[in-house]
Order: sequence, then structure tokens, then C-alpha cells
Amino acid sequence: GENVEQHPSTLSVQEGDSAVIKCTYSDSASNYFPWYKQELGKRPQLIIDIRSNVGEKKDQRIAVTLNKTAKHFSLHITETQPEDSAVYFCAASMGSNTGKLIFGQGTTLQVKP
Amino acid sequence: DAGVTQSPTHLIKTRGQQVTLRCSPKSGHDTVSWYQQALGQGPQFIFQYYEEEERQRGNFPDRFSGHQFPNYSSELNVNALLLGDSALYLCASTGKEETQYFGPGTRLLVL
Repeated sequence: GENVEQHPSTLSVQEGDSAVIKCTYSDSASNYFPWYKQELGKRPQLIIDIRSNVGEKKDQRIAVTLNKTAKHFSLHITETQPEDSAVYFCAASMGSNTGKLIFGQGTTLQVKP
Repeated sequence: DAGVTQSPTHLIKTRGQQVTLRCSPKSGHDTVSWYQQALGQGPQFIFQYYEEEERQRGNFPDRFSGHQFPNYSSELNVNALLLGDSALYLCASTGKEETQYFGPGTRLLVL
């Protein structure tokens, strides 16, 4: 069935350390994988996305890697800052149409000053 | 350039009632998707509207219905409300680049 598993559910790091969040998906036809950051009481905001024809994408301190064979993708945040503290969601498109996104359960990231 | 907007921000209803939530997409976007986000969970896809028609649907009962208007704005209707319908309802709009941008959501409480 349609499923995205996300780990860990909570992650606590010291400011300046790196954080890694991992997701696996079930639909081999998925071809679009966005990551959203949601602060308390606010809307999910897109931070980075990757399509299946790319293995890695980087935007300043944020990077995403995709392993299509293993149906696995990861978010990497380097040099973490207290303002990175939030809930992060991975998502995968169902099938080749990117309209329907299936979200993971979320990871609560806490960056300690 | 206005982003995605939703109304109302908060709503309290009682079981059995009906509710209508509204969404205006980002300027230049023509596709609207609706999601339900329960507390502590990821958003769950309800359905998507494009060219005034429902294009895809998630695993939600027929009590959940929608509409898209010629100006691309959209409504989500929920009939016969249950306690379990209490959640944050998010809409997301999409343009040619296919990236989904979320609105601030409507928080629905069913008593």
C-alpha cells in the first residue's frame, strides 16, 4: 500500500552539529520527494525537494539524497542553529503524478544552544 | 504576490453539523489539494482539484467533498461531522512547477 516511513521521530542535537532524517517509501513509481518544515502553529514550508532523475541536491546547509533502488531518501542539515528547531516531514508522490503526496509521520528536531 | 490563503482560521462545530472551508491559491497557480493533519501526525491527502474537477482522491469517505471555482479558489465541505474530524485542514496550491505550497490552515474542533 501507499506508505512513507520516517525516522527518527525525535532528534536532539547540539548547535553546530549535523542532523540526519531518513525516509523510506513503498511505491516504486514515486518520482518526487519534497521535505517540509513546520513550526508550531504554522503552515508546512517547503525547504528542499528532489526528483527521481537526481541522486543528490544541496541548498546551503541543507541536502537531500535519494536511493531509488532502496526506495530511501534522507535530509541532511549541517551546522544546525536553534532556529532549525521544528517538525520536519518527508513526502513522496504516489505514482508518476506528483499531485498526491504521502507524508511521513514527522521528526521533531531540537537544536540546543 | 499573495501566497495561499485559507478561511476561517478556526472553527468550532458540533457532531452532525456540516462545515465549509475555503482556500485561495497562490497567484498563477491552478491546482488545489486538500490535506487533513491530525495533532502530531503528518498531513493526509484528501483530494485534488484541477480545471474545476476532482482529479485525485485519498482514502476519505464521501462525507468529504469539494469544489473548485473558475478563479481556481476551492472549498472543502464535510458533512455529518464526527469527533474524529477535529484536525488542521490544509490546502496547497500548485502551478506549472508542480511544487505544493501550503496555506496557514483551518483548525476545526468538533464537540
